[in-house]
Amino acid sequence: EDQVTQSPEALRLQEGESSSLNCSYTVSGLRGLFWYRQDPGKGPEFLFTLYSAGEEKEKERLKATLTKKESFLHITAPKPEDSATYLCAIDNYGQNFVFGPGTRLSVLP
Amino acid sequence: ETGVTQTPRHLVMGMTNKKSLKCEQHLGHNAMYWYKQSAKKPLELMFVYSLEERVENNSVPSRFSPECPNSSHLFLHLHTLQPEDSALYLCASSYYVGPGTSSYEQYFGPGTRLTVT
Repeated sequence: EDQVTQSPEALRLQEGESSSLNCSYTVSGLRGLFWYRQDPGKGPEFLFTLYSAGEEKEKERLKATLTKKESFLHITAPKPEDSATYLCAIDNYGQNFVFGPGTRLSVLP
Repeated sequence: ETGVTQTPRHLVMGMTNKKSLKCEQHLGHNAMYWYKQSAKKPLELMFVYSLEERVENNSVPSRFSPECPNSSHLFLHLHTLQPEDSALYLCASSYYVGPGTSSYEQYFGPGTRLTVT
């Protein structure tokens, strides 16, 4: 069975303290990997799509990378407004996505 | 309206009530999804409509009934729910993904917070 795991479960950073979130997957085939941001009580907001190992995408303080077994979301010099839950999902050539449990990020001023 | 909208945003219902959740997408997509999000659990896919064909998750209880009258509208009809059905229900849409095509991101609505008493 295809699986997506994310680590850590929760992460507290000081403002300006860079770090990385991990998304590991075990799938029979990967058509695409997606990162989302979710604020409490709201729907997930799309951030990035990655299709192949070695690919990188950037947006403001966020950078997503992909290898054959995992993806990282690097956060450079985070601000309090980056606090959210970050979700990873894979498209395994099925009719739907498989979502990970998320990493809850808190950035303290 | 832009993106994906959902109504109502909050719903409290008794176990004997019947209610419906509504979703509308303004993105020109042709696939729509219902997800359930419970505390500390990954998003669970409930139903998919792709090119107006329903792909069903067999583990969804029959007290949840989807309806997709066209590619822009999606409903989730609820009846005789249980307290454990309390959750955030999310609607999403995307371009159709079929064999041999690229994968497209899903765009989510704000969700309906459902409480079953």
